[in-house]
Amino acid sequence: AQSVSQHNHHVILSEAASLELGCNYSYGGTVNLFWYVQYPGQHLQLLLKYFSGDPLVKGIKGFEAEFIKSKFSFNLRKPSVQWSDTAEYFCAVNTGHGNNRLAFGKGNQVVVIP
Amino acid sequence: NAGVTQTPKFRVLKTGQSMTLLCAQDMNHEYMYWYRQDPGMGLRLIHYSVGEGTTAKGEVPDGYNVSRLKKQNFLLGLESAAPSQTSVYFCASSYAQINYGYTFGSGTRLTVV
Repeated sequence: AQSVSQHNHHVILSEAASLELGCNYSYGGTVNLFWYVQYPGQHLQLLLKYFSGDPLVKGIKGFEAEFIKSKFSFNLRKPSVQWSDTAEYFCAVNTGHGNNRLAFGKGNQVVVIP
Repeated sequence: NAGVTQTPKFRVLKTGQSMTLLCAQDMNHEYMYWYRQDPGMGLRLIHYSVGEGTTAKGEVPDGYNVSRLKKQNFLLGLESAAPSQTSVYFCASSYAQINYGYTFGSGTRLTVV
């Protein structure tokens, strides 16, 4: 079965620090990759996605992610975080086998200290 | 511009009681999903539907039933609630093409005592 691993479940950092969240998946074929963000008390919102083409994907709010096929990774980055980036971040993978099911990682809880 | 609407937003149940969670979407999405979110567990798929009148089991279907009688609605039922079903439940919907990702509802926080 498809699995998605996110490390460092809890991340605490100061404003203006750089953020990188790792995401690794276990499927060897074609994949569609997503990062979702969940702000406190809210629903999940799409940050960015990768389907094909340029492996460096830019999303909303200054986030970007890089797909490295050889490493089965899709790491999320932001050069300078703000207090408003405090949220939980989820990586999700779809294997594209004619179904739309997304497998989610367990999430990264990010707290940005002002 | 409602998107995905879940009702109720909060509910407390006693063990053994039953309830139905309603999910409604107005985007004409073909696919709909029910997830539960638990601390440290991420999102786990309970059931999903690829079209009106169809449903399928996800990762953690036990103790839940679903129905999709109308394209825009996806109901999640708990016939006999257990404390292990205390969770936040999210509904999501999507087009048949995964390109656009999922649209999520605001969630239902359920506590079973």
